[in-house]
Amino acid sequence: KAGVTQTPRYLIKTRGQQVTLSCSPISGHRSVSWYQQTPGQGLQFLFEYFSETQRNKGNFPGRFSGRQFSNSRSEMNVSTLELGDSALYLCASSPRTDTEAFFGQGTRLTVV
Amino acid sequence: DQQVKQNSPSLSVQEGRISILNCDYTNSMFDYFLWYKKYPAEGPTFLISISSIKDKNEDGRFTVFLNKSAKHLSLHIVPSQPGDSAVYFCAGDSDMRFGAGTRLTVKP
Repeated sequence: KAGVTQTPRYLIKTRGQQVTLSCSPISGHRSVSWYQQTPGQGLQFLFEYFSETQRNKGNFPGRFSGRQFSNSRSEMNVSTLELGDSALYLCASSPRTDTEAFFGQGTRLTVV
Repeated sequence: DQQVKQNSPSLSVQEGRISILNCDYTNSMFDYFLWYKKYPAEGPTFLISISSIKDKNEDGRFTVFLNKSAKHLSLHIVPSQPGDSAVYFCAGDSDMRFGAGTRLTVKP
């Protein structure tokens, strides 16, 4: 069974640009969550989707958005990038919303 | 609001000894808690969980204790091995509110 796949693995963007990150969950998993990891802040919850609906949202500005498609694949978008958005973005999937999650390897975003 | 907190950013123990990682929470509504382990350049992997109706769950060398009155949980690793060196995150419930993580270093 393939794991959670995140693309791209590495990304370099310039301040002010926008970026879209992709996450393909494990087959059959309907819940997808996104996290931002920075050295000083640990894992910060961004949002969670289940069956194409956003169930929860973390404390991030509106520049961070996401969506989930009917095949459970999910994308997150960050607009007007700032230097502080440089981080590892992790996606996790689970079959339901009340079970442990399986993480992808993440997308390392660097904003210059 | 940080509902789950790990106040120790790092911990260093000798191989064979016990490692105790701590986590505090503020949300009494959590139904369960989970511990994840993360190696560099990899996503976190699930380690062990505990339901809020239990006070202990054991899986091999890993035991998680839950003290609901103190809103505190801890992960015990006995005996610690160098391969356990990683960052450990605790999380509450399906919202997956994670703590900031504790970097465990197990010295040979």
